[in-house]
Amino acid sequence: DTEVTQTPKHLVMGMTNKKSLKCEQHMGHRAMYWYKQKAKKPPELMFVYSYEKLSINESVPSRFSPECPNSSLLNLHLHALQPEDSALYLCASSHRTGTSTDTQYFGPGTRLTVL
Amino acid sequence: AQKVTQAQTEISVVEKEDVTLDCVYETRDTTYYLFWYKQPPSGELVFLIRRNSFDEQNEISGRYSWNFQKSTSSFNFTITASQVVDSAVYFCALKNRDDKIIFGKGTRLHILP
Repeated sequence: DTEVTQTPKHLVMGMTNKKSLKCEQHMGHRAMYWYKQKAKKPPELMFVYSYEKLSINESVPSRFSPECPNSSLLNLHLHALQPEDSALYLCASSHRTGTSTDTQYFGPGTRLTVL
Repeated sequence: AQKVTQAQTEISVVEKEDVTLDCVYETRDTTYYLFWYKQPPSGELVFLIRRNSFDEQNEISGRYSWNFQKSTSSFNFTITASQVVDSAVYFCALKNRDDKIIFGKGTRLHILP
């Protein structure tokens, strides 16, 4: 079962709000990823967690704060976002990092609108 | 430098026609993997295929087939007898030993009934 779930599906927030995106997988994967995708663009990598530790941060602004409470869960905490942060946020997981053989499996995404 | 080029931004075909999506990649690595993902309007990126740099055997899965040619650095995707449900954005992608996938810009495919 190659399923990654994400909640919520849609989120509308103001620039002063604090919200969180959640991602969950039960495939025993030890690597999890956050991507941001703007309309008509490919996904852009934001963060990579490997064995619950942050291994890659693609110079993402601090208003995005990732958290990996355990090997199955990945959160993205949002605070003081800007309208240009409106996008589809995709979570992915793979068996592990550091190898070219791994396939990343993606969740359905959260469509975020910042007003 | 690593790069994936999908020159076709948008394609429209009538249902039941065959359609080929082109993908050309650039990499200096000898070991790498190529992927195709499908993104329907719902947003989820659906994994379709992975091919490693040492395996140039073409692959067929139902109506889908992939042609990997190292000599031309291409990894093209053909849908035979297209259906309306095939309408989506298709991304070709490249990955080497690090954890970053290099995506092409995607090809938006419209299958007209």
